[in-house]
Amino acid sequence: AQSVTQLGSHVSVSEGALVLLRCNYSSSVPPYLFWYVQYPNQGLQLLLKYTSAATLVKGINGFEAEFKKSETSFHLTKPSAHMSDAAEYFCAVSRVSGSARQLTFGSGTQLTVLP
Amino acid sequence: DGGITQSPKYLFRKEGQNVTLSCEQNLNHDAMYWYRQDPGQGLRLIYYSQIVNDFQKGDIAEGYSVSREKKESFPLTVTSAQKNPTAFYLCASSPEDRGRNEQFFGPGTRLTVL
Repeated sequence: AQSVTQLGSHVSVSEGALVLLRCNYSSSVPPYLFWYVQYPNQGLQLLLKYTSAATLVKGINGFEAEFKKSETSFHLTKPSAHMSDAAEYFCAVSRVSGSARQLTFGSGTQLTVLP
Repeated sequence: DGGITQSPKYLFRKEGQNVTLSCEQNLNHDAMYWYRQDPGQGLRLIYYSQIVNDFQKGDIAEGYSVSREKKESFPLTVTSAQKNPTAFYLCASSPEDRGRNEQFFGPGTRLTVL
């Protein structure tokens, strides 16, 4: 079975500081991994995805994530936080159920950016 | 513009009433999904559909029903059997169901039971 653990339900950083949001996964097959961002009362927007190509994945808004199989991790980073990055972030792994794949989401990390 | 629309954005329901949430997509995607979001719990899958006239239960289907009569539409009915329906409901679609492609999300419907 596939599962996702996001360490830290709340993370605060100062504007301009490094953003690091942690995600560890469990998967019995090679995983497809995703990071989504959600602003208040809105749907989810894809930041980036890993689908077994390059292990370092670059996404939108300056975010990137590195797939580390040995550590079963897919942490999200951004070198310099901006006020507009304040949002909730979800890591997800694609899982197989019957003949279809669905996404299993982590519980989310709320990012606060301090001025 | 292509995308997913959900209506209404806010919905209030009295206990014992059924309500239907609308989800429409013009992305020509085969697969569609309904999720429920509660604070601190991430998203949980209610139902999904891979093709027209076919759908499967997700992890928390009890108290919900769906239909998929058209490729573009996947309405969700929250029945009176759902014990705690107050939540944020998200609809999503995907071009195929093998997991490589991401899911695209609508803006959500916030349901409140009075």
